[in-house]
Amino acid sequence: QVQLQESGPGLLKPSQTLSLTCTVSGDSITSGSYYWSWIRQPAGKGLEWIGRIYTSGSTNYNPSLKSRVTISLDTSKNQFSLNLRSVTAADTAVYYCARQHYGDSGYYLDYWGQGTLVTVSS
Amino acid sequence: EIVLTQSPGTLSLSPGERATLSCRASQSLSSIFLDWYQHKVGQAPRLLIYAASSRATGIPDRFSGSGSGTDFTLTISRLEPEDFAVYYCQQYGSSPPFTFGQGTKLEIK
Repeated sequence: QVQLQESGPGLLKPSQTLSLTCTVSGDSITSGSYYWSWIRQPAGKGLEWIGRIYTSGSTNYNPSLKSRVTISLDTSKNQFSLNLRSVTAADTAVYYCARQHYGDSGYYLDYWGQGTLVTVSS
Repeated sequence: EIVLTQSPGTLSLSPGERATLSCRASQSLSSIFLDWYQHKVGQAPRLLIYAASSRATGIPDRFSGSGSGTDFTLTISRLEPEDFAVYYCQQYGSSPPFTFGQGTKLEIK
């Protein structure tokens, strides 16, 4: 059974860097046919796709966040991470990590973490 | 950027009724790139339908997806109490961002 778990600080001040880690169990992040993704949901709003990383290390980001975002892999720990620089109150949200399947059968997020709330406040 | 517009924003129905949720894309999509998720408060979103019409593992057959091009539909044939939640469609088009619709809240009437 694949499981993902987000971890990281829950409270940040404006201008700081948000750093979250997603620990994956039940699968190797170096296995093929998957991207490892981050999604967020601000309070009272819908889901926003942040970006993803492939096992090779190649990344795709939401253009609206691209200048501030970095997603990376730590294969030795079977983890992947999200860094979001220069945060503001608008970055307050529940952050989810997820596994994205891709292939002839489809492209979809089949396993998700439970989510972690990050609040940006002075 | 492909924009997904879901309708209605809120759908009020009773258990046992049929629910029809719409997702319209701003440009044509291959069906393989359209998915549906169920999201309950305090829980992770759950994959329901992938590639527009394929049910994910463990999803009851009262959930079905259809559509092509720019118009996609999620249908719940007979609502169970546990089906009341927010539903999102998502697309994986040619390039990022891989957007979600704004969601349809399915509430008990």
